[in-house]
Amino acid sequence: DADVTQTPRNRITKTGKRIMLECSQTKGHDRMYWYRQDPGLGLRLIYYSFDVKDINKGEISDGYSVSRQAQAKFSLSLESAIPNQTALYFCATSDPSGDQPQHFGDGTRLSIL
Amino acid sequence: QQPVQSPQAVILREGEDAVINCSSSKALYSVHWYRQKHGEAPVFLMILLKGGEQKGHDKISASFNEKKQQSSLYLTASQLSYSGTYFCGTENAQGAQKLVFGQGTRLTINP
Repeated sequence: DADVTQTPRNRITKTGKRIMLECSQTKGHDRMYWYRQDPGLGLRLIYYSFDVKDINKGEISDGYSVSRQAQAKFSLSLESAIPNQTALYFCATSDPSGDQPQHFGDGTRLSIL
Repeated sequence: QQPVQSPQAVILREGEDAVINCSSSKALYSVHWYRQKHGEAPVFLMILLKGGEQKGHDKISASFNEKKQQSSLYLTASQLSYSGTYFCGTENAQGAQKLVFGQGTRLTINP
């Protein structure tokens, strides 16, 4: 089983709909992140959480919200989806001890019509 | 501010060498390197820390020049499996664990 699991893997929806992307991890990491990937722009940070009570905005948080339900679960919501939020979304985790890499889920491909 | 990667794309024949650069306008604490195959998750390659070190495993290595705020990734005797998009992620302070990623360098290795 994957250490970082994202659901759904693909989603097509309409403008104005509320959408939730979910991320769960079995790595026991405190730190979790949500990124958005667009062609030619790399990975951009939406929100990050260093523990259940510590949630922070990233560089492109407008139009998004998050919920850290437990150490293992971090959800991303689009309250009212718009077409320019069409992108590939990645969840990642990292261990806070020392200088550690981030471990990515397989991504959710989201299309908003 | 997003680090700048160069080149944006490179095409090589199997066995040739490649260098990918990552430059920042801000002081750096660390640089992370990842490789992403099309449609897949980014996969961690290595971390370089402030202090101007060099790291490597197999035929992939990297250097970190703190004064120039730049890191370079070296791929020697490239293999077909090295194809993909390479990203650097930079961290400005120790413990921040908040990376800013470059726009990526697409590497294509042909037989």
